[in-house]
Amino acid sequence: DAGITQSPRHKVTETGTPVTLRCHQTENHRYMYWYRQDPGHGLRLIHYSYGVKDTDKGEVSDGYSVSRSKTEDFLLTLESATSSQTSVYFCAIGLAGGDTQYFGPGTRLTVL
Amino acid sequence: DAKTTQPTSMDCAEGRAANLPCNHSTISGNEYVYWYRQIHSQGPQYIIHGLKNNETNEMASLIITEDRKSSTLILPHATLRDTAVYYCIVGGTSGSRLTFGEGTQLTVNP
Repeated sequence: DAGITQSPRHKVTETGTPVTLRCHQTENHRYMYWYRQDPGHGLRLIHYSYGVKDTDKGEVSDGYSVSRSKTEDFLLTLESATSSQTSVYFCAIGLAGGDTQYFGPGTRLTVL
Repeated sequence: DAKTTQPTSMDCAEGRAANLPCNHSTISGNEYVYWYRQIHSQGPQYIIHGLKNNETNEMASLIITEDRKSSTLILPHATLRDTAVYYCIVGGTSGSRLTFGEGTQLTVNP
């Protein structure tokens, strides 16, 4: 398995609180991605990064921000969590120049 | 990116070949066909991809029609652990986003 870890693996928080999810890779891949998965919607891209400090929005980026200060870490922040952000969040890494992506184990986030 | 069409669900007997079809009639010349699967509660797993030629690796074979408008993923000897949702995705080589559809729920029965 590709060296991808996500932390925390499970989190319960309250509406209005900030939350940061971390994705860490040991593969030195250039691309990193954050997806969310919800019943009936499949996997949807939130944000992605194509290098240190280089990020771009995906299809469901509202309410989320990201940062990538070093190659191995990609952080996803919910500035003020809402119940609609209850979901399973997956991080993925990608080989430069290709769409082959390797996914982490996921973080289950519940916003009460 | 081109859209794909897959059956919602399929069944297969353990030990038999599982053949999962995918239609991608609007695929463009430089787009690849990718297959991923997701076992319940786990992150999606890359299986295989191809452009024109048939491809085989330790997990599966990918057969792409000559006109590239459809493809078939073949799991030669399905096991119970192959029960998963299988996603067919058409994408480029830019390292950009993957667009996941609903996929095919494959159930391998004993």
